[in-house]
Amino acid sequence: SQQGEEDPQALSIQEGENATMNCSYKTSINNLQWYRQNSGRGLVHLILIRSNEREKHSGRLRVTLDTSKKSSSLLITASRAADTASYFCATAGRRALTFGSGTRLQVQP
Amino acid sequence: ETGVTQTPRHLVMGMTNKKSLKCEQHLGHNAMYWYKQSAKKPLELMFVYNFKEQTENNSVPSRFSPECPNSSHLFLHLHTLQPEDSALYLCASSHPVRGQVETQYFGPGTRLLVL
Repeated sequence: SQQGEEDPQALSIQEGENATMNCSYKTSINNLQWYRQNSGRGLVHLILIRSNEREKHSGRLRVTLDTSKKSSSLLITASRAADTASYFCATAGRRALTFGSGTRLQVQP
Repeated sequence: ETGVTQTPRHLVMGMTNKKSLKCEQHLGHNAMYWYKQSAKKPLELMFVYNFKEQTENNSVPSRFSPECPNSSHLFLHLHTLQPEDSALYLCASSHPVRGQVETQYFGPGTRLLVL
């Protein structure tokens, strides 16, 4: 069954603006991960947050996790045209990751 | 460059053909995965291998046959596929910690078209 569900499905912003994507999931998790995919290519890992963590930063990325609400958010600050891609959250179970449908981010120069 | 390579990058095959997809990881990981990504669908897990042993088969039709000869190589053998099997097939590897799934490293994928 599908675990992560991203919101919004698509997002279009101007360069320099911040982009926020949300992910909701249904069952308990060990960790939650965010990945990025450029059109038709493989996924690239961005950040992993464990179930006992609430917030994590990596460069211009900020991820939060609320296990009581079963939700996570990814914030990209000061976006660039090169950030244009699809972003996926993935919840980690015992054996594998379960991915959501993704958010397509378009950053206009 | 993630350390995971996949060949071929593109493949067109007829429904009666037999072909194989290859994945190789240079990261020293002991878990490898096959995923299918179809248009407008979430990434679907197909198979999981840990230390060359298959630990997950996500109800994949038998026309897809995985093979893992060692921890660095993973194959997906294809035969008598259907047009709906056209998709991007992604391989990934990881190093589970205390049995938990950690960061996965993906290859660039094989874009498959079944005619």
